[in-house]
Amino acid sequence: DAEITQSPRHKITETGRQVTLACHQTWNHNNMFWYRQDLGHGLRLIHYSYGVQDTNKGEVSDGYSVSRSNTEDLPLTLESAASSQTSVYFCASSRDYNEQFFGPGTRLTVL
Amino acid sequence: GQNIDQPTEMTATEGAIVQINCTYQTSGFNGLFWYQQHAGEAPTFLSYNVLDGLEEKGRFSSFLSRSKGYSYLLLKELQMKDSASYLCAVRDDTNAGKSTFGDGTTLTVKP
Repeated sequence: DAEITQSPRHKITETGRQVTLACHQTWNHNNMFWYRQDLGHGLRLIHYSYGVQDTNKGEVSDGYSVSRSNTEDLPLTLESAASSQTSVYFCASSRDYNEQFFGPGTRLTVL
Repeated sequence: GQNIDQPTEMTATEGAIVQINCTYQTSGFNGLFWYQQHAGEAPTFLSYNVLDGLEEKGRFSSFLSRSKGYSYLLLKELQMKDSASYLCAVRDDTNAGKSTFGDGTTLTVKP
């Protein structure tokens, strides 16, 4: 069955370190998205991609970067982790204008 | 800017009907989604409206009025498992799949 996976599921890191969160989908969806979700808030868009080699900034992109070298993967990199980036991160994918399918999430703690 | 408003919390009784409202003011509109998110889990797709009117899917219905910037999700015959957060999302990119999410409504169903 097609799916979307994220790794790691839990990560503890230190301030200033570079961290990469992986997202892999097997639906062959053209759209992929990264969100963060903090307690009491909805999903805030970090970066998104509409296809290979396409990346776009979302509303909270500072301190994050993505690259899309193939259809299946959209890794999210925190260049220099900060405590304010402690959050739950969700990756999602969709085809064209349709609903988004979400990965299980990565809980990141920055100490 | 994008503005999507939902009530923060609602409580209802098992077997009853509950209506969760969502109002939006966005720079673009190309459809509205409702997602369900149980605590500690990823959001999952519930319903989609792009034209005015009511869409029914089993115990769940969703309504849209584009002229009023208003939608609601109606849950009938509430069950304990319906206790979750309900996220309203507006697809605000007329060219592709990007959506802006509201902060979500946490619904608690009591026996």
